[in-house]
Amino acid sequence: DAGITQSPRHKVTETGTPVTLRCHQTENHRYMYWYRQDPGHGLRLIHYSYGVKDTDKGEVSDGYSVSRSKTEDFLLTLESATSSQTSVYFCAIGATNSNEQFFGPGTRLTVL
Amino acid sequence: GESVGLHLPTLSVQEGDNSIINCAYSNSASDYFIWYKQESGKGPQFIIDIRSNMDKRQGQRVTVLLNKTVKHLSLQIAATQPGDSAVYFCAERGDQAGTALIFGKGTTLSVSS
Repeated sequence: DAGITQSPRHKVTETGTPVTLRCHQTENHRYMYWYRQDPGHGLRLIHYSYGVKDTDKGEVSDGYSVSRSKTEDFLLTLESATSSQTSVYFCAIGATNSNEQFFGPGTRLTVL
Repeated sequence: GESVGLHLPTLSVQEGDNSIINCAYSNSASDYFIWYKQESGKGPQFIIDIRSNMDKRQGQRVTVLLNKTVKHLSLQIAATQPGDSAVYFCAERGDQAGTALIFGKGTTLSVSS
């Protein structure tokens, strides 16, 4: 997975609780992305980062926040999880001089 | 709404056949198109890409065709193998590196031996 890890890999939580997912890369790539994958929707962009402390919203950003305090880590936070946020979350990274995006193994989140 | 989509949600083929997976896109300004393969329980894996100034690009056993006139993208897999069974996504992007990808909904390819 091109030096990308995600943690946790699986999580079950209850509605209303905060959740933070972590993406860690060892490639020193500039760009990092969070996507969610749901049946019938493919992968949809939540937030992305184009550098340390530089982030922007994607297509489905409501209910999510992100932080990137260092190049290798990109955190996705659900401040108050809802059942509609049950999904599989993928992190991806991209280099400045490349068109390719590499994906992590995913985190399966279930909100009860 | 979806900018990129696939014509068929599922495709079943016999081992050794050639497979063709299709995708239609709506943004004529997209500059870069990619095919990803996703196996069960894993993240998407890059297969092949093509820029908008090209019509065809070949890789190992795979060929991507781009028809900008009708905004259509296809992935051809030669001599399909059971290991090719997966979900295939097309994705598009603008011309700037780092721009996020827009994905289609995916086609599940099943290969029987």
